Amino acid sequence: ETGVTQSPTHLIKTRGQQVTLRCSSQSGHNTVSWYQQALGQGPQFIFQYYREEENGRGNFPPRFSGLQFPNYSSELNVNALELDDSALYLCASSLGGSPLHFGNGTRLTVT
Amino acid sequence: QKEVEQDPGPLSVPEGAIVSLNCTYSNSAFQYFMWYRQYSRKGPELLMYTYSSGNKEDGRFTAQVDKSSKYISLFIRDSQPSDSATYLCAMSTNQAGTALIFGKGTTLSVSS
Repeated sequence: ETGVTQSPTHLIKTRGQQVTLRCSSQSGHNTVSWYQQALGQGPQFIFQYYREEENGRGNFPPRFSGLQFPNYSSELNVNALELDDSALYLCASSLGGSPLHFGNGTRLTVT
Repeated sequence: QKEVEQDPGPLSVPEGAIVSLNCTYSNSAFQYFMWYRQYSRKGPELLMYTYSSGNKEDGRFTAQVDKSSKYISLFIRDSQPSDSATYLCAMSTNQAGTALIFGKGTTLSVSS
């Protein structure tokens, strides 16, 4: 069974740039979620995708957007990067309403 | 007041000790309660999952949920150095995999 994989592992961007993070769901999982984890904090829910549609969103601005593909892989896009966007971005997958399984994240640094 | 409160620690114990980790919450609609373990530079790993109130045991780990007090606990028996990690509580209202609200995490160090 293949777990959740994310790429890249680390990324450095400049304020104002755009970034795309990628995620492959665990085999058989049809729901994907994205979380932001700032240093020393718990993860915060960004949004969730099911059957290629966003079906839940946390308190994040529209410059955070996503996609889910027919093979259940996913992308997180962030436009107009701000310094506060520096964080660990976690992708998680699940089947139906089962508990989430997380990947190891992408560490984004915005300078 | 934050929805989920968790003492960040750090908590240091000797090998073999019993560890108690706790979270309190304010939203009475939470029904699904999870504990995740996160090692440095890794993603959270699901340890325990409980629906509604009650106890659940898995090996050295026991999770307790007291909805009347809005209080959840994770007990680790016979703690090992490999248990050294950050422990995150997480909760949700309608499904275990949807819109989780996490605590800040408690950092645990077990010394041999």
